[in-house]
Amino acid sequence: AQKVTQAQTEISVVEKEDVTLDCVYETRDTTYYLFWYKQPPSGELVFLIRRNSFDEQNEISGRYSWNFQKSTSSFNFTITASQVVDSAVYFCALISRGSGDKLTFGTGTRLAVRP
Amino acid sequence: GAVVSQHPSWVICKSGTSVKIECRSLDFQATTMFWYRQFPKQSLMLMATSNEGSKATYEQGVEKDKFLINHASLTLSTLTVTSAHPEDSSFYICSARVTSKGYTFGSGTRLTVV
Repeated sequence: AQKVTQAQTEISVVEKEDVTLDCVYETRDTTYYLFWYKQPPSGELVFLIRRNSFDEQNEISGRYSWNFQKSTSSFNFTITASQVVDSAVYFCALISRGSGDKLTFGTGTRLAVRP
Repeated sequence: GAVVSQHPSWVICKSGTSVKIECRSLDFQATTMFWYRQFPKQSLMLMATSNEGSKATYEQGVEKDKFLINHASLTLSTLTVTSAHPEDSSFYICSARVTSKGYTFGSGTRLTVV
């Protein structure tokens, strides 16, 4: 069985603040992939990143960065200098070899960035 | 590349009628499509997995006679909500596995049953 936990239900920050969204996962497989998706109010899912279990390098893409720590089964997402356009629900997701092709989503974190 | 087009974006139907949602892979062949349902302020829950040319596999608790899935070609999968009721009102999203970046999602269909 696999599980993704996003303990933060809602976060509210003021524009230009940094914010970190937490993601903790569970899987018995040694081969797995982790994802982050953004869901703006319009509803579509926007792919942000995919990370495989053998690559613990942290990644930075513009204002976005991801910290993958296998030791704590976490894959946290940080937005630097947040902007109002970052307001959305963010989902962390997991797929592992034993689950076939099925993605398991966390419950999502709703981020509100106030001007 | 790897775009999934989902239609309609939103639909309102009367209780007891059926609604069909289509997902088309525009620039790749989708052997497998996944259908999710998302209630307001909740996560995406996998309903079923459809494979081209074979019967869909439904997740536990999902009524296969109510949510009919057809995947007759490598570019089209459909979800039909039969005899819809207000409790079926939800956001439905399809997805296809794409090797390069994992998955690509349709834009979703907001169904309201009145």
